[in-house]
Amino acid sequence: EVQLVESGGGLVQPGRSLKLSCVASGFTFNNYWMTWIRQAPGKGLEWVASITNTGGSTYYPDSVKGRFTISRDNAKSTLYLQMNSLRSEDTATYYCTRADIYGEYFDYWGQGVMVTVSS
Amino acid sequence: DTVLTQSPALAVSPGERVTISCRASESVSTGMHWYQQKPGQQPKLLIYGASNLESGVPARFSGSGSGTDFTLTIDPVEADDTATYFCQQSWNDYTFGAGTKLELK
Repeated sequence: EVQLVESGGGLVQPGRSLKLSCVASGFTFNNYWMTWIRQAPGKGLEWVASITNTGGSTYYPDSVKGRFTISRDNAKSTLYLQMNSLRSEDTATYYCTRADIYGEYFDYWGQGVMVTVSS
Repeated sequence: DTVLTQSPALAVSPGERVTISCRASESVSTGMHWYQQKPGQQPKLLIYGASNLESGVPARFSGSGSGTDFTLTIDPVEADDTATYFCQQSWNDYTFGAGTKLELK
């Protein structure tokens, strides 16, 4: 059974940093692209970052580019999201997702972890 | 960015057929996918590649379309289908529609 378990969320002040983790199990982690997707309270879904199966390439939307860094440790089957210079608009539930082998859609989602940016 | 437009809400009776639309601001070929999200839960993949049913998803769900206009159909609708449905495109990075909230009468 595929499982994705996020951790590291919480309350953080604007301008500070936070690092999320996602431990994967039930599949061969290093065969799949991985992606972080977020959802602000009561709002829709927003793509945050993607990483190829080897970690050799990463992709971001303009809204987080230069502030967020996605990475992975294939030996530990763990995905990370380093978030710097956090803003109030980054407040959201962050989901760790597995992409299909072509990186087009997201077939497994974690339960999500809440990040609140507030003073 | 490729903008995806969905109608905000629909209300149908159990047993009826419902179509949920998603229009893209530019062609995404068949790079369109659909998700169901129930309150307090993570989204669940229903349809990928515009018309392919994800494993384990009931055959009551189907998808169609290509280019800019796409449809998710549920036939017949059941009470458990109360949820918000999101479309997502993968042709130009990734963007999601704002979601269509499906309510049962």
